[in-house]
Amino acid sequence: QKEVEQDPGPLSVPEGAIVSLNCTYSNSAFQYFMWYRQYSRKGPELLMYTYSSGNKEDGRFTAQVDKSSKYISLFIRDSQPSDSATYLCAMSGYSGGYQKVTFGTGTKLQVIP
Amino acid sequence: DAGVTQSPTHLIKTRGQHVTLRCSPISGHKSVSWYQQVLGQGPQFIFQYYEKEERGRGNFPDRFSARQFPNYSSELNVNALLLGDSALYLCASSLESPDRDTQYFGPGTRLTVL
Repeated sequence: QKEVEQDPGPLSVPEGAIVSLNCTYSNSAFQYFMWYRQYSRKGPELLMYTYSSGNKEDGRFTAQVDKSSKYISLFIRDSQPSDSATYLCAMSGYSGGYQKVTFGTGTKLQVIP
Repeated sequence: DAGVTQSPTHLIKTRGQHVTLRCSPISGHKSVSWYQQVLGQGPQFIFQYYEKEERGRGNFPDRFSARQFPNYSSELNVNALLLGDSALYLCASSLESPDRDTQYFGPGTRLTVL
C-alpha cells in the first residue's frame, strides 16, 4: 500500500464549477499537508500549506484536513481554464531521522471554457 | 527575487554515461532537496541537504550522489545512467529545514537517457 493515494484523473469540469481533489494517507506521522499545482513541463508551485485538522481558505482555494480519517481535500471555487494543471498533494513527517516529504501521484484537471 | 534556478534545462545522455545537475536555491535558503519525477507520477525524494550536510536519502541506488556547497547551491550526480533514469529532476529549497518551512521548487532539468 502506498503511503499517499491520489486519484490520477483526468478530471474534466466546465468553467465555473467547484472542483474537489482528494488524497488519503496511511502514515500517522505526517504532520504537514501541502497542495502543489504543476503546469505541463514546469516545476510544482505551492498552493496551500496546513498543519492541523480543519479548513484553510485562500481566495478561491480551500484546503481541508481530517487527521482522524487520514484524508485531505482541496476545493477550487469558480474554476477557470487557467486552473487546468496537475494537482499534487504532499505530506511531511518525521521518518528515519529527518522530515521527509511524500507526494501523491497527482490529479490532472482540465477546466473547459 | 529570483526563485530556485536549475541547469541545464534539458539534457540528453546515453546509457552508461555520467550526468551532473545543478541547483541554486532562493537567496537566504539553507536547505536543498532533490526529487525525481517520472512522467505521470509525483516527485520521488532523492536527497535532502541542510547547512551543507546530508539530512536524508530516499530509496535510490548508490549511483546517485549529491553535495551542497558553502553558498548553499547543490549538485546532483548520477553515474552509469540507465534508461529508467529518464525523468524530470526537481530541486526544491527552503529557508530552514523542510519540516519547518515550505519548499519552493525550481523548473527542473529534463533528462533523457537513450
